[in-house]
Amino acid sequence: QKEVEQNSGPLSVPEGAIASLNCTYSDRGSQSFFWYRQYSGKSPELIMSIYSNGDKEDGRFTAQLNKASQYVSLLIRDSQPSDSATYLCAVRVGAGNMLTFGGGTRLMVKP
Amino acid sequence: EAGVTQFPSHSVIEKGQTVTLRCDPISGHDNLYWYRRVMGKEIKFLLHFVKESKQDESGMPNNRFLAERTGGTYSTLKVQPAELEDSGVYFCASSQVSGFIGELFFGEGSRLTVL
Repeated sequence: QKEVEQNSGPLSVPEGAIASLNCTYSDRGSQSFFWYRQYSGKSPELIMSIYSNGDKEDGRFTAQLNKASQYVSLLIRDSQPSDSATYLCAVRVGAGNMLTFGGGTRLMVKP
Repeated sequence: EAGVTQFPSHSVIEKGQTVTLRCDPISGHDNLYWYRRVMGKEIKFLLHFVKESKQDESGMPNNRFLAERTGGTYSTLKVQPAELEDSGVYFCASSQVSGFIGELFFGEGSRLTVL
């Protein structure tokens, strides 16, 4: 079992729709959770972090964390073609300094 | 402010040769990380520097990999001798010492192709 799992996609949604990206993790000691966006050939860019159960909203983005079920999700409202990218889920276990990444989900927003 | 810069952006070498990748972190960032992504796999942690000291090198795959950060500024990652399975994208990231661990700023990566 992978430590952090994501559906590789592609996830295709029409412009203006809600894109829902999911991530599950195996280590119950995981403390911090992050979503990175990566355009092809570019650097991963942090878009959301979440540390406690529940929802966290930032603009069109909402991160949701459920530690009991060991999943974290990212919702993108009013999806735009410019949101088309690979979204990486990353997890920090305990007080360690490393992030464990999922394989990423490729999102395609069609005009 | 300049972001994390990496050089070269792409390197193609023969098996058995040596390659040195360089990373310049954001100015003032004490924490520097190396990660890599091999084909079809997840981004994996290699090691972490705090200033010039190796804080955690548990992700380094074997002794063919050597990372240095002399003077606590830029870092180099040397692969000697390179093997086919070393092909992938090597990412460098940096963060301020006072920042949350997740606020990593990544470079665009150095793509290594070993033939």
